[in-house]
Amino acid sequence: AQSVAQPEDQVNVAEGNPLTVKCTYSVSGNPYLFWYVQYPNRGLQFLLKYITGDNLVKGSYGFEAEFNKSQTSFHLKKPSALVSDSALYFCAVRDNILSGGSYIPTFGRGTSLIVHP
Amino acid sequence: NAGVTQTPKFRVLKTGQSMTLLCAQDMNHEYMYWYRQDPGMGLRLIHYSVGEGTTAKGEVPDGYNVSRLKKQNFLLGLESAAPSQTSVYFCASSYSSLAAIRDTQYFGPGTRLLVL
Repeated sequence: AQSVAQPEDQVNVAEGNPLTVKCTYSVSGNPYLFWYVQYPNRGLQFLLKYITGDNLVKGSYGFEAEFNKSQTSFHLKKPSALVSDSALYFCAVRDNILSGGSYIPTFGRGTSLIVHP
Repeated sequence: NAGVTQTPKFRVLKTGQSMTLLCAQDMNHEYMYWYRQDPGMGLRLIHYSVGEGTTAKGEVPDGYNVSRLKKQNFLLGLESAAPSQTSVYFCASSYSSLAAIRDTQYFGPGTRLLVL
């Protein structure tokens, strides 16, 4: 079974400060991890993913995420937040072990990021 | 490429009415998904399809039916709408997720449904 948790419903940060949006996961095998962003009244957009290799993954709009196997975490980070980063962020996980004949990712509940001017 | 499109963008139904939501993708993706998004609940998977002619139940399938007669289209049906089905519905598609390196979902813009 696979699951993902985003422990914070909302994260507030001042513009120019670093930001972190937390994500933890649980899988039976090895995880494939994803971050998506949703701007108001829009569909989700892909930001970045971890499949294998370097633990630090770089994605769109200056975002990066660090895979930590021992802590089963995949936190999203950005060195300097922008007001335009304000959006809803979703973490998703997929097990590399086949379950039920197909691989379907599981999404977290989402974290609302608010960047204050 | 248009990507993933959804029709309609907004709809109001009365309890007991039926309707069909259409999702179309032009990326030749094998997998397609229907989600609903509700405040505080995140994204919940309703049904999905791993290829033309196949469908499978997700996390919250009750009250919904789906069909995938053509590879590029995935239809979501509500046979008898209920107020609990008021939500924003998102369609997504992806390549066969057997190839993890290509396993990224592309989402449509959503359909807002209000059931009175």
